[in-house]
Amino acid sequence: EIVLTQSPGTLSLSPGERATLSCRASQSVSSSYLAWYQQKPGQAPRLLIYGASSRATGIPDRFSGSESGTDFTLTISRLEPEDFAVYYCQQYGSSPWTFGQGTKVEIK
Amino acid sequence: QMQLQESGPGLVKPSETLSLTCTVSGGSISSRSYYWGWIRQPPGKGLEWIGSIYYSGNTYYNPSLKSRVTISVDTSKNQFSLKLSSVTAADTAVYYCARPYSSSWYSAFDIWGQGTMVTVSS
Repeated sequence: EIVLTQSPGTLSLSPGERATLSCRASQSVSSSYLAWYQQKPGQAPRLLIYGASSRATGIPDRFSGSESGTDFTLTISRLEPEDFAVYYCQQYGSSPWTFGQGTKVEIK
Repeated sequence: QMQLQESGPGLVKPSETLSLTCTVSGGSISSRSYYWGWIRQPPGKGLEWIGSIYYSGNTYYNPSLKSRVTISVDTSKNQFSLKLSSVTAADTAVYYCARPYSSSWYSAFDIWGQGTMVTVSS
C-alpha cells in the first residue's frame, strides 16, 4: 500500500501568513489521484482539493494544490481565522486508499 | 442537497460485532453509480479507509480489515451498512460514511456524514 508522510506535524502561523503543507508518497500516485481535506474539532473532514490541484466545489481560491513527482503540496496563500485546523492528504489511485497522518495548522 | 447520517450502537463489547447504518437523504443511493464508503478515525488519530460498496452491491475492502468487514447496501431503504466482527479496543473510533465526488472508482470523498463514535468496552 502507498504510505503518505505529511510534514510538518504542526505549523504555527499567524493570520494573513502563507501556509505550505507537504505530503510525500512512498511510490507514484496513479494519475495524480491525491486529495486534501480540512478537519476541525468534532467535525467530519471537508474535501478541499482533488486530482492534486483541482479545488472542490465552494473552496476559496486561497487554497491550491500542486505536485512534483511523489511530492504534493497544499498552499494556503493567506490564512484566515477559519483555516486553523488539521489537514490530511489522501491517495485514491491505488487500493487501499490511504491517508497521511495529518498536519495541524495552529495560531502562533 | 444530499446528506448522510450514521446510526448504530455507541458501545460494543469486545469480540462482538459492530453494526452501523448510513442513511442517505436528498437523493437516491442508486440514482448514480457511486462507490459509497466507510472511513474511521480513532480518537486523536488519523483517518483509515475501511471499504466501499458500489450501488449494485460490489464491495471493496481494506486488506487490513477484510477478514472482519462486511459492507452491504439496501437500495429500498436508501441505506448502506457496515459490520465489523470480533472487535477489540483498537476498533474504538469515530466511524464516517461518505460519498465520492464522482461516480468513478478513482474519486475522493466530498460528502460525509457527521460521524458516530463507537467505543469497544466491556
